[in-house]
Amino acid sequence: EIVLTQSPGTLSLSPGERATLSCRASQSVSSSYLAWYQQKPGQAPRLLIYGASSRATGIPDRFSGSGSGTDFTLTISRLEPEDFAVYYCQQYGSSPQYTFGQGTKLEIK
Amino acid sequence: QITLKESGPTLVKPTQTLTLTCTFSGFSLSTSGVGVGWIRQPPGKALEWLALIYWNDDKRYSPSLKSRLTITKDTSKNQVVLTMTNMDPVDTATYYCAHSRRRWQPFDYWGQGTLVTVSS
Repeated sequence: EIVLTQSPGTLSLSPGERATLSCRASQSVSSSYLAWYQQKPGQAPRLLIYGASSRATGIPDRFSGSGSGTDFTLTISRLEPEDFAVYYCQQYGSSPQYTFGQGTKLEIK
Repeated sequence: QITLKESGPTLVKPTQTLTLTCTFSGFSLSTSGVGVGWIRQPPGKALEWLALIYWNDDKRYSPSLKSRLTITKDTSKNQVVLTMTNMDPVDTATYYCAHSRRRWQPFDYWGQGTLVTVSS
C-alpha cells in the first residue's frame, strides 16, 4: 500500500507570496497517476492537477505541479485570497487504487 | 454538464447497514472507461477513498474496508449505490461520490457530499 505524506501540515503565508506544498510517497508513483485537490470549508474537493503536472479544466496558471517517483510538489506562484484552503494529493494508479494524503492547510498569515 | 448528488440517511445506529445512493447526470456509466467512486471525510479529517465501479462493472474496494462495502450500479437510472455494513461511530463522516472519466484517472467531478452520523 502506498502511503502519501504531505508537508507541512499547515502553511502560513500572505497574499502575493509563493506557496510550495510537498507530497511524498512511500513507494514510487508513476507520474501519470498523481493528482492535487483543493478543498474549502463546507465544499467538495476540486481537482487542480492530474498526471503530476497537468492543470485541470479552468484552473488558473498560477497553480503548477511537478515531481516524479516519490516526491511531488504543488506550487502556487502568487497567492490570491481565494487560494487559502486545504490541499490534498492523491495517487490513483497503485493498490489501493486511490490513496489520499493527510492534507496541507494553507492559511493567511 | 456533469453533476452528482448523494442521498441517504443522515443518522444510523451502530451495527446497522448504511445505504447511500449517488444519482448523476451529464454522463453515462455505460460509456467505456467511465467510473464512479465513493470517498468519505470524517469531520475535520482527511479524505479516504472507499470504492469505485467502472462502466464494465469492474469493482474496486479499499482493502481496509473491503469486507464491509458493496458498490453496485443501475445504468438505466444513472445511479450508483454503496452499502456499508456494521456501522460504527468512527464511520461518522461526509460521504462523497465522484466521477472518473477513464480508468487510471482522478476524480474530476464531485457531489456536494452527505453527512452521515452514527449514533445510538
